[in-house]
Amino acid sequence: NAGVTQTPKFQVLKTGQSMTLQCAQDMNHNSMYWYRQDPGMGLRLIYYSASEGTTDKGEVPNGYNVSRLNKREFSLRLESAAPSQTSVYFCASSEAGLAGAGGVYEQYFGPGTRLTVT
Amino acid sequence: QKEVEQNSGPLSVPEGAIASLNCTYSDRVSQSFFWYRQYSGKSPELIMSIYSNGDKEDGRFTAQLNKASQYVSLLIRDSQPSDSATYLCARKAAGNKLTFGGGTRVLVKP
Repeated sequence: NAGVTQTPKFQVLKTGQSMTLQCAQDMNHNSMYWYRQDPGMGLRLIYYSASEGTTDKGEVPNGYNVSRLNKREFSLRLESAAPSQTSVYFCASSEAGLAGAGGVYEQYFGPGTRLTVT
Repeated sequence: QKEVEQNSGPLSVPEGAIASLNCTYSDRVSQSFFWYRQYSGKSPELIMSIYSNGDKEDGRFTAQLNKASQYVSLLIRDSQPSDSATYLCARKAAGNKLTFGGGTRVLVKP
């Protein structure tokens, strides 16, 4: 049981290049998320997909696009990379909806992709 | 004002002591809070969740929530060097989304 997997683990891009970060989960979760993490900033939500066929913007969506390819896979695309997109990117997944009494389902994180844009 | 605020630390704690981490939030509507632990170079992992005012204990960890004062805290009893990590506080936003604080780095010294 692999959980949440991400590829690649590391990537260096030049300004203006494009690339797609891949994410897959084998837990049959409905919801998937893309975050970026910068020093001292915690995790910031880029895009999320509440269920297969739906996607929505998070806190910092500019410069990114996403595709929910199927229930398992959720990809993040940088069309024209900028140095400001240098970060660690995490994909996460969870069950959908509320766990009851104001709770939420736990989000499980992938190992992350370290992206440097020069 | 950030929605979720944490002291970045580092919080230096002797082995065996209690580490006390605090988190404040700006949204009075927030109902659910979470503490994640993140080792250097690794992904976050959930260690505690709390929804109701008061204390919730799980092993050496105790989460405390005070909605009137808008803060949530995490106590780590009998701190071990393996507890050295960054601890992220998060609150539930709309849907199943989470808003994270910047994290507090904890160093447990033998």
